[in-house]
Amino acid sequence: DQQVKQNSPSLSVQEGRISILNCDYTNSMFDYFLWYKKYPAEGPTFLISISSIKDKNEDGRFTVFLNKSAKHLSLHIVPSQPGDSAVYFCAASAGSNYQLIWGAGTKLIIKP
Amino acid sequence: GAVVSQHPSRVICKSGTSVKIECRSLDFQATTMFWYRQFPKQSLMLMATSNEGSKATYEQGVEKDKFLINHASLTLSTLTVTSAHPEDSSFYICSVLAGGSYEQYFGPGTRLTVT
Repeated sequence: DQQVKQNSPSLSVQEGRISILNCDYTNSMFDYFLWYKKYPAEGPTFLISISSIKDKNEDGRFTVFLNKSAKHLSLHIVPSQPGDSAVYFCAASAGSNYQLIWGAGTKLIIKP
Repeated sequence: GAVVSQHPSRVICKSGTSVKIECRSLDFQATTMFWYRQFPKQSLMLMATSNEGSKATYEQGVEKDKFLINHASLTLSTLTVTSAHPEDSSFYICSVLAGGSYEQYFGPGTRLTVT
């Protein structure tokens, strides 16, 4: 049972435009959500996170939105840059063991 | 965030041998580290949670006698793949849990190929 779902395996966006990556979850006990970026043959890099008590968190070009009633979160990147091309993972956590439940990832391709 | 290193970055070994992968937290004392593996074009799969000074907690389906984890200090955790088989070939990644937060900081990964 996939508790964290990223239904789009890939997304192609023009450079300079907004990239919107989506993530859905099923477990209402999740209270913290994170986005990671990963290049091939490298470890994931933490991008941005959001607690369930908030609905928006912004850091530079990256904004994460959380809609708890819909169990949906999204990552907005604006403006998109060529270096943003990577696989983006959504992850969620609940409880005190700090383990993360990962989505399958979305490959973002920024076109020049 | 924390700086995490892994060694080696790539290793090729013969079937039946054992391989040790090191994960070091360079600027942060980590009481908790995680070990993941990633198959091509798939998500990260948590293998085990490594706690300093105690036994690792393994996820269901992960053989603790095959994947030995030692977290002897606050800056070093090791994963030893024993009696490696070709199906153990994968990308192994460790992460460090930031204190008081859910954020994990990852090492660069180790590509293991078993021939």
